[in-house]
Amino acid sequence: KQEVTQIPAALSVPEGENLVLNCSFTDSAIYNLQWFRQDPGKGLTSLLLIQSSQREQTSGRLNASLDKSSGRSTLYIAASQPGDSATYLCAVSGRAGNMLTFGGGTRLMVKP
Amino acid sequence: EAGVTQFPSHSVIEKGQTVTLRCDPISGHDNLYWYRRVMGKEIKFLLHFVKESKQDESGMPNNRFLAERTGGTYSTLKVQPAELEDSGVYFCASSQDLVGEQYFGPGTRLTVT
Repeated sequence: KQEVTQIPAALSVPEGENLVLNCSFTDSAIYNLQWFRQDPGKGLTSLLLIQSSQREQTSGRLNASLDKSSGRSTLYIAASQPGDSATYLCAVSGRAGNMLTFGGGTRLMVKP
Repeated sequence: EAGVTQFPSHSVIEKGQTVTLRCDPISGHDNLYWYRRVMGKEIKFLLHFVKESKQDESGMPNNRFLAERTGGTYSTLKVQPAELEDSGVYFCASSQDLVGEQYFGPGTRLTVT
């Protein structure tokens, strides 16, 4: 059974810092990995999708890496801003079209 | 292009009552998923439709939950009768194909008292 863990559970940083959020999964036989952002009381916004054959994906100030063999992914946020404050969720799928298994999330606060 | 929409945004019902949640996926998305998060837990998968067919319903907790997707467009999730432990946020997601991103709706917050 796939289990996804995100560390840390919460993180508070001053504006401008570069930061890394971690995601680990127990079963390396994944099809893809998706990073989401959730603002309070809102739905999930997809940030990046990494297919299992890829090593990383970039979108603006965000860079996500994937090391499937070690069961790890990181989300790197450059030059953090107060608007980045949200909960970040990592989710993996075991095969095409399969359900996503979610981690518990990292609650990020960027202070001005 | 409109995103995934869900109705209602909030629902408060008493134990034993029936509630029906609705999800409208992004137009043209054949794949529709239901997930939920109960208090303090991770988001968990409930089921997956491909068009009007149930592809995977392994996450449905019990037979008090019934999901339908008539005509392969919108989907409904009925809980009958509702129990206290059904309280949580129910999310719907859709994807264009089996390998692409899943796009989530804003969720329906269900409170059973």
